[in-house]
Amino acid sequence: DTGVSQNPRHKITKRGQNVTFRCDPISEHNRLYWYRQTLGQGPEFLTYFQNEAQLEKSRLLSDRFSAERPKGSFSTLEIQRTEQGDSAMYLCASSLQGRNTEAFFGQGTRLTVV
Amino acid sequence: AQTVTQSQPEMSVQEAETVTLSCTYDTSESDYYLFWYKQPPSRQMILVIRQEAYKQQNATENRFSVNFQKAAKSFSLKISDSQLGDAAMYFCAYYVKTSYDKVIFGPGTSLSVIP
Repeated sequence: DTGVSQNPRHKITKRGQNVTFRCDPISEHNRLYWYRQTLGQGPEFLTYFQNEAQLEKSRLLSDRFSAERPKGSFSTLEIQRTEQGDSAMYLCASSLQGRNTEAFFGQGTRLTVV
Repeated sequence: AQTVTQSQPEMSVQEAETVTLSCTYDTSESDYYLFWYKQPPSRQMILVIRQEAYKQQNATENRFSVNFQKAAKSFSLKISDSQLGDAAMYFCAYYVKTSYDKVIFGPGTSLSVIP
């Protein structure tokens, strides 16, 4: 499978707990994006990496959120002290730098905070 | 601010008929891309069609075509000969090539296909 892979697919957690999601992009893609999608809405940009460098963070990404991409390969998104409002689908996408860029999406991780 | 608007939250079409989904965007940039993404229920988002802003010719991919009106900042998607498998959320998206570029999505249009 050479597509974008996200794990886990589903996560149920109690409010206040920490959670971590993983994204494995397409191997040659140097750009990686995290989006959040709530029910019935379009994806909202969270953060973006070019190789290992985190180049932009949305205002949606509060201090409880942190993302890393060590070595410019896979990425993790951690949410600390989860709140019910964090319940959403978290999407990862990757692309190859260049003029004709297309972002390829993973299937997402659905987080439910109870 | 860069925004994407889709004014039709829901649309329906009879199988084999044609439907047009609307999208408008707001930008001050001149070099950008526009996309339509399809998200079937519980499945991942896939790219349907892409348009480069500097190209005047409307993009076409099989049954999918766009009507790109740059001056009006309008980018509609036409689906011809609709099939049951076309039922999905459709997102219009915008991408500008700056130093830190990202794709900005509209709120989506839910398309139902009636047999």
